Amino acid sequence: ELKVEQNPLFLSMQEGKNYTIYCNYSTTSDRLYWYRQDPGKSLESLFVLLSNGAVKQEGRLMASLDTKARLSTLHITAAVHDLSATYFCAVDSYGETSGSRLTFGEGTQLTVNP
Amino acid sequence: KAGVTQTPRYLIKTRGQQVTLSCSPISGHRSVSWYQQTPGQGLQFLFEYFSETQRNKGNFPGRFSGRQFSNSRSEMNVSTLELGDSALYLCASSSDARVINYGYTFGSGTRLTVV
Repeated sequence: ELKVEQNPLFLSMQEGKNYTIYCNYSTTSDRLYWYRQDPGKSLESLFVLLSNGAVKQEGRLMASLDTKARLSTLHITAAVHDLSATYFCAVDSYGETSGSRLTFGEGTQLTVNP
Repeated sequence: KAGVTQTPRYLIKTRGQQVTLSCSPISGHRSVSWYQQTPGQGLQFLFEYFSETQRNKGNFPGRFSGRQFSNSRSEMNVSTLELGDSALYLCASSSDARVINYGYTFGSGTRLTVV
């Protein structure tokens, strides 16, 4: 059974600082996604990582995937208050006949303080 | 183009009742997945449909069922509701899981409260 672990689960940081969220998973997959969720809202797609070594950047966020280490990172650069949210990584167990199934990490609740 | 539409947005039901939730995927998308989100269990996979066929199912009791229609719209049904079924139910849409360049787009969710 695929397990996905995120750390830290809670992150309080000051504006302007950098930090990294880690996502480890237990079985082979080359499909990993990062989502953002604001309180009471749905999941907003941030990054789609589909191969080993994939790196994507959008604004102050950068995500990477190392399929050999079964590790993805979400790096936050010079945090701003608007980034406060819960961030989830999700690993896709896709099979041609078994279809798709996302296994989510527990989520990292990020609070950016002035 | 229009996003993923879930209805209703909010629902209050009594224990023992049944409920049907609806999801209309992005036009042209044929894969629809359902997830349950609770504070205690996090986000858990319920099932995935592709071209009207259920291809994958999570570890939920048989009270949870679903179907997909020829226009790709999907419904999920929960019978004999329990208090623990209170959750945010999310539906995700994708064009075809074999070509997943854009990942999965989630709907706004249905917040179900069982009293």
